[in-house]
Amino acid sequence: DTAVSQTPKYLVTQMGNDKSIKCEQNLGHDTMYWYKQDSKKFLKIMFSYNNKELIINETVPNRFSPKSPDKAHLNLHINSLELGDSAVYFCASSQDNNGLAASTDTQYFGPGTRLTVL
Amino acid sequence: GQNIDQPTEMTATEGAIVQINCTYQTSGFNGLFWYQQHAGEAPTFLSYNVLDGLEEKGRFSSFLSRSKGYSYLLLKELQMKDSASYLCAVLDSNYQLIWGAGTKLIIKP
Repeated sequence: DTAVSQTPKYLVTQMGNDKSIKCEQNLGHDTMYWYKQDSKKFLKIMFSYNNKELIINETVPNRFSPKSPDKAHLNLHINSLELGDSAVYFCASSQDNNGLAASTDTQYFGPGTRLTVL
Repeated sequence: GQNIDQPTEMTATEGAIVQINCTYQTSGFNGLFWYQQHAGEAPTFLSYNVLDGLEEKGRFSSFLSRSKGYSYLLLKELQMKDSASYLCAVLDSNYQLIWGAGTKLIIKP
């Protein structure tokens, strides 16, 4: 069974379109994340979210919005796609991000979604 | 500001030992992680250190010195499949994970 899954794995779209990437985790984790990994392979945190708090990286454009229908899902919606949005997007989850036990903050990653904006 | 430094790329020979260093300056410290990422795949967890010293896990070991803001990942008996990027990440005082840019390790026969 896949612990953290994402769909689609590949997404090719035109500039200006709106698209969503779905993420699901079956680990029972409390916190989920979205990362962007650019061509230089640098992982940048975009959002972290649990049922208490959404933390947004201030550098993320407001065209990006996370949507969580329930604890096991955190989808990423992107409006008005731009060329610079082309990257690999990773979803991740961790058990506990409230500081009680830092070792449980180990993050487990989904397989990634390669987004190409033409 | 917060900063994680790792070498961009390293090359080693199959069967040898390699040490990948990571230095960090962060607002607080709640642990350091090492992840492995093969090309085109997701990062996978390797190790977690929160106390000073060496943690050994099979062919991989991770060392931490909090006073020096320094960690290394030691890979022994290198195999071709160890060719990957190795990412160092620090959990800061807000329990946010700060990532390094990764070290690309190339293994030669």
